Amino acid sequence: QVQLQESGPGLVKPSQTLSLTCTVSGGSISSGSYYWSWIRQPAGKGLEWIGRIYTSGSTNYNPSLKSRVTISVDTSKNQFSLKLSSVTAADTAVYYCAREPRLKRAFDYWGQGTLVTVSS
Amino acid sequence: QSALTQPASVSGSPGQSITISCTGTSSDVGGYNYVSWYQQHPGKAPKLMIYDVSNRPSGVSNRFSGSKSGNTASLTISGLQAEDEADYYCSSYTSSSTLGFGTGTKVTVL
Repeated sequence: QVQLQESGPGLVKPSQTLSLTCTVSGGSISSGSYYWSWIRQPAGKGLEWIGRIYTSGSTNYNPSLKSRVTISVDTSKNQFSLKLSSVTAADTAVYYCAREPRLKRAFDYWGQGTLVTVSS
Repeated sequence: QSALTQPASVSGSPGQSITISCTGTSSDVGGYNYVSWYQQHPGKAPKLMIYDVSNRPSGVSNRFSGSKSGNTASLTISGLQAEDEADYYCSSYTSSSTLGFGTGTKVTVL
């Protein structure tokens, strides 16, 4: 059974960089069959796709966040990571990592989510 | 990229059928058969209910079905049950090789 687990600081100061890691267990992140995505959800609001990475390192980002986002993968640790720079209060949200089978374009496994608050 | 448009809320009585719409453009919903639907209960991660417009993952009740016509996709829940009360989101692949979500629909079981 595949499991994803987000980790990282729960509090980030404005203008700093938010950094999160997603650890994948029960399967290899190196499998060529999947993309690995980050998705966020502000309290009481809808889901927003942030971006994704393939095991080759190729990435796709939400155009509205592209200038501030970097997603990377560490196959040796079976992890992928998110960095979001120059954060403001508007970036306060629950951040999820998720798996997307290449042939489905849908998210079949999700992490439990981690709340990141941007505040001084 | 703009969020796909969903009704804010839909309600129905137990046993009834309800349908949630998801309207996009020819660059997303209308252009690809990559529409998926997610169920989210409060405080929980979303759960995949439908992928590729109308396919159900293993373990998802056959009371959930999906379809698409033009730029609008739909999720139908038949035989509505109390446990179906949740938020529902659609998602679509786009011509920019990105993915987008719908605005979300709160389903209330009366």
